[in-house]
Amino acid sequence: EVQLLESGGDLVQPGGSLRLSCEASGFTFNDYAMTWVRQAPGKGLEWVSTISGSGGSKYYGDSVNGRFIISRDNSKNTVYLQMSSLRAEDTAVYYCTKDRIRYAVTMMGFDPWGQGTLVTVSS
Amino acid sequence: AILLTQSPSSVTASVGDSVTITCRASQIIHRSLAWYQQKAGKGPKVLIYDASSLERGVPSRFSGRGSGTNFTLTISSLQPGDFATYFCQQYNSYPPITFGQGTRLEIK
Repeated sequence: EVQLLESGGDLVQPGGSLRLSCEASGFTFNDYAMTWVRQAPGKGLEWVSTISGSGGSKYYGDSVNGRFIISRDNSKNTVYLQMSSLRAEDTAVYYCTKDRIRYAVTMMGFDPWGQGTLVTVSS
Repeated sequence: AILLTQSPSSVTASVGDSVTITCRASQIIHRSLAWYQQKAGKGPKVLIYDASSLERGVPSRFSGRGSGTNFTLTISSLQPGDFATYFCQQYNSYPPITFGQGTRLEIK
């Protein structure tokens, strides 16, 4: 069974930093691009960042570009999101998800999704 | 970025009814559209990709149609587990990929 388990969410002050982790199991991790998507309380979904299977290609949404860094450790089947200069508007549940298609960054649908980890930015 | 507008924002229906949700793109996206279902407190689940292809394991009462800028998701013979929020997502032009704002399907 394919599983994604996020961790690392916490309460952090504005301007602070946080690292999220997503541990994957049940599939050949390095064959798939991985993506972070966030959802502010009561709001819709916002794409945050995507990394290719090898880690050689990375993509960021405009609202996080320059502040967040996505990375992966294929030996640990884990993808990370290093978040810095956090703002109140970064408050959200952060989901980790996997590209449906193997061997390429397609973003042609994501499946499955983890249960999410809550990041709260507040003083 | 391509804007996706879903309508309605919420809809109320009964078990056994059929409902249709619309997703309109601000630019032509061909058939590069996916639909997701999200239940409270959970991550989304993909239902449809390429506008009309059913994801493996998804019941056939879910169907998608459309191309260009106008798309629909139809759920026929609603079941209790279908009451959830539905999102569309485009992947024709990225980054960024974008999502619709969601349609909440509530039980009458």
